[in-house]
Amino acid sequence: EAGVAQSPRYKIIEKRQSVAFWCNPISGHATLYWYQQILGQGPKLLIQFQNNGVVDDSQLPKDRFSAERLKGVDSTLKIQPAKLEDSAVYLCASSFNRGEETQYFGPGTRLLVL
Amino acid sequence: GENVEQHPSTLSVQEGDSAVIKCTYSDSASNYFPWYKQELGKGPQLIIDIRSNVGEKKDQRIAVTLNKTAKHFSLHITETQPEDSAVYFCALKGGSDMRFGAGTRLTVKP
Repeated sequence: EAGVAQSPRYKIIEKRQSVAFWCNPISGHATLYWYQQILGQGPKLLIQFQNNGVVDDSQLPKDRFSAERLKGVDSTLKIQPAKLEDSAVYLCASSFNRGEETQYFGPGTRLLVL
Repeated sequence: GENVEQHPSTLSVQEGDSAVIKCTYSDSASNYFPWYKQELGKGPQLIIDIRSNVGEKKDQRIAVTLNKTAKHFSLHITETQPEDSAVYFCALKGGSDMRFGAGTRLTVKP
């Protein structure tokens, strides 16, 4: 079974530029999560989707971050404009459904904002 | 939100020794407690989990214990090997979102 796929793996941008990350969850998984992991910390949930609907985006900085999962499969996370403090690893995870606790993580996208 | 305190932040052991990592929490509604292993450049990988109706779970060299009264849970790794070197995260879930500890960097010296 293929795991969670993410791209790109690395991205370097300058502050105030925009960037987008892509995630393809495990086939058949209805729930998709985006996490931000700052160096030396545990992952922090940004947004959770159930199929193509948002379940929880309470910790998403909506003035600069946006995410979508239009067809209930792939998802994109965008930052515009980026700030220095956005430098982190952005992890995508999926689970079979909302009630299933086990989450499977992708390899992450490492973002460096200069 | 729920805070998860994880200790120690770094742990160095000799190959073959045991390693123990402990996490404490405050929300008694938490009912799912997974542990993740994260190697350099990779995403977190689930290694073991426990639910609130169970006090202990073991999988080969890895075990997790849960004390609901004291609100803490621990990861035990026995007979450590160099390939166990990684960052380990505890997590918990009681509502809709998963909360993670800050991580423990485990180094197993050959």
